[in-house]
Amino acid sequence: LAKTTQPISMDSYEGQEVNITCSHNNIATNDYITWYQQFPSQGPRFIIQGYKTKVTNEVASLFIPADRKSSTLSLPRVSLSDTAVYYCLVAQGDTGRRALTFGSGTRLQVQP
Amino acid sequence: DGGITQSPKYLFRKEGQNVTLSCEQNLNHDAMYWYRQDPGQGLRLIYYSQIVNDFQKGDIAEGYSVSREKKESFPLTVTSAQKNPTAFYLCASSNAGENTEAFFGQGTRLTVV
Repeated sequence: LAKTTQPISMDSYEGQEVNITCSHNNIATNDYITWYQQFPSQGPRFIIQGYKTKVTNEVASLFIPADRKSSTLSLPRVSLSDTAVYYCLVAQGDTGRRALTFGSGTRLQVQP
Repeated sequence: DGGITQSPKYLFRKEGQNVTLSCEQNLNHDAMYWYRQDPGQGLRLIYYSQIVNDFQKGDIAEGYSVSREKKESFPLTVTSAQKNPTAFYLCASSNAGENTEAFFGQGTRLTVV
């Protein structure tokens, strides 16, 4: 089963680029990598999803190397409002009964 | 508006009582999930359901029960067998297939005294 590993916490300053790396050594061939953001006392919300190479949207970029054993979420020019917990997800379980299993996430603190 | 709704937002119960948390979605999603989150921790999967009348245990199912009689609804019962039920509970839904975006409710904060 795929399991993800992320740094527990990261610190940054406003205006900097932040890169959060997630390792998923046992990712299955048909799995995508998805990142979520969670603010205190709220449910997580979807940021970005990718399968390989690079994906970019208005919020972030996701870099996935060819072996797909890791991925990096890139947040350009962070602001104070980007302070949150970021989760990397890869589905787990048997085909047809798989579930979204969250790890501990990375707590990002952005300073002024 | 389409979305996923959890109620109530705050819930207080006495120790030894069963309590049921509501989760309703009008997104026409096949899959629904329940998670538990303790302070400063990540989300842990309690139960999930990929289709009506079928559900599977997650990582911490002991002391919890669910039902999926309707596509729109996935209530979670926290039983008296759950040793430490005080936590933040989150419900989510997604389209069939694990590689789709999940939408979360706002959560229910359960306090057992």
